[in-house]
Amino acid sequence: NAGVTQTPKFQVLKTGQSMTLQCAQDMNHEYMSWYRQDPGMGLRLIHYSVGAGITDQGEVPNGYNVSRSTTEDFPLRLLSAAPSQTSVYFCASSYRGTSGTYEQYFGPGTRLTVT
Amino acid sequence: KNQVEQSPQSLIILEGKNCTLQCNYTVSPFSNLRWYKQDTGRGPVSLTIMTFSENTKSNGRYTATLDADTKQSSLHITASQLSDSASYICVVSEGNAGKSTFGDGTTLTVKP
Repeated sequence: NAGVTQTPKFQVLKTGQSMTLQCAQDMNHEYMSWYRQDPGMGLRLIHYSVGAGITDQGEVPNGYNVSRSTTEDFPLRLLSAAPSQTSVYFCASSYRGTSGTYEQYFGPGTRLTVT
Repeated sequence: KNQVEQSPQSLIILEGKNCTLQCNYTVSPFSNLRWYKQDTGRGPVSLTIMTFSENTKSNGRYTATLDADTKQSSLHITASQLSDSASYICVVSEGNAGKSTFGDGTTLTVKP
């Protein structure tokens, strides 16, 4: 299994540009999430999905869109990039284990800079 | 508002020494508490996961404890190694995979 993969690893955008961060998992996990991590701060949830066709907002959803057309893919779209969106973005997938808890797996991250 | 607070913010220890990281939370209702290790430039990797009924969980030299009554957890690292240098993140979940609250992490530096 490749686990959770993210592309690209690095990206530089100009203010106002749009782009899509890709995330894919091959573990057949129901749940997928997007987080951003700013220096010295904890990960903050942007959007999440509990299954194909179902998405919901997290803590900091403004400026981002998601869709979940398949179990495997969960792309994150930046509609009009702003310098405040400079951050490292992590995608995660998780499943509900036999004990009822969720084991979460993270991708390697995408480092985004908006100038 | 659900919160997870970790202390200390950063810690420097000598190789071979033990250390303990703290995590206090106000997340309710509680489902589980997880500790992650995040190496620089990498995604977090799970170390331990504990439910309400578990008060200790080990993973090699890492031992996590949980006191659900006082809403406190600790991560103890035994006989530290240079490779333990990383950020350690405490995460508390409400039972939904999308509803987790992350601490800001403790940055551990192990020096030779």
